[in-house]
Amino acid sequence: EVQLLESGGALIQPGGSLRLSCAASGFTFSSYAMSWVRQAPGKGLEWVSTISGGGGITYYADSVKGRFTISRDNSKNTLHLQMNSLRAEDTAVYYCAKHWSSGGIRYFDLWGRGTLVTVSS
Amino acid sequence: DIQMTQSPSSLSASVGDRVTITCRASQSISSSLNWYQQKPGKVPDILIYAASSLQSGVPSRFSGSGSGTDFTLTISSLQPEDFATYYCQQSYSNPLSFGGGTKVEI
Repeated sequence: EVQLLESGGALIQPGGSLRLSCAASGFTFSSYAMSWVRQAPGKGLEWVSTISGGGGITYYADSVKGRFTISRDNSKNTLHLQMNSLRAEDTAVYYCAKHWSSGGIRYFDLWGRGTLVTVSS
Repeated sequence: DIQMTQSPSSLSASVGDRVTITCRASQSISSSLNWYQQKPGKVPDILIYAASSLQSGVPSRFSGSGSGTDFTLTISSLQPEDFATYYCQQSYSNPLSFGGGTKVEI
């Protein structure tokens, strides 16, 4: 079955660190770029970060640049998001999402169910 | 960075109504515009990609149009299961970005 399963969400104090993981199955993981997208409670979707299939190219939203690091382990079909210096405004459900890309067309064609990160003292 | 602006932010409509949601990009994005549907408590799901291409399995009452900076998602005859929030997303350049969402209430 084609799926993404996030883990690692927790209640964490401001300034703390957390590492999210996303386990992929049912497709050739290394062939696809992957992203993290977050959604604060009752709010809209916010793109966070993207990593290329090989892992050599990464992009970040300005709101997390310098604090978050995206990475992947293609041997284990796993995507990670290392989050440091967490702030209250980072509180959100974090989704991992698979890119579908062909001929200049790209979109998110598969989403995980999300993992909740709550930053609060 | 490209900013995406959706309107309206919410709307109320009746079953059978024709519903139109607009999305405007802060600069030209060609046809690199996707639409997602998110039902309450669920994950987002792709409806339309490349501005006007219907994702497999999506009912034909959904359609998309536009290019450049102005785009439209149309539901030709609103059904009860269409109660959801709709998001546009540009894939023209990194950083990727979403519109703020349009909540459709039946």
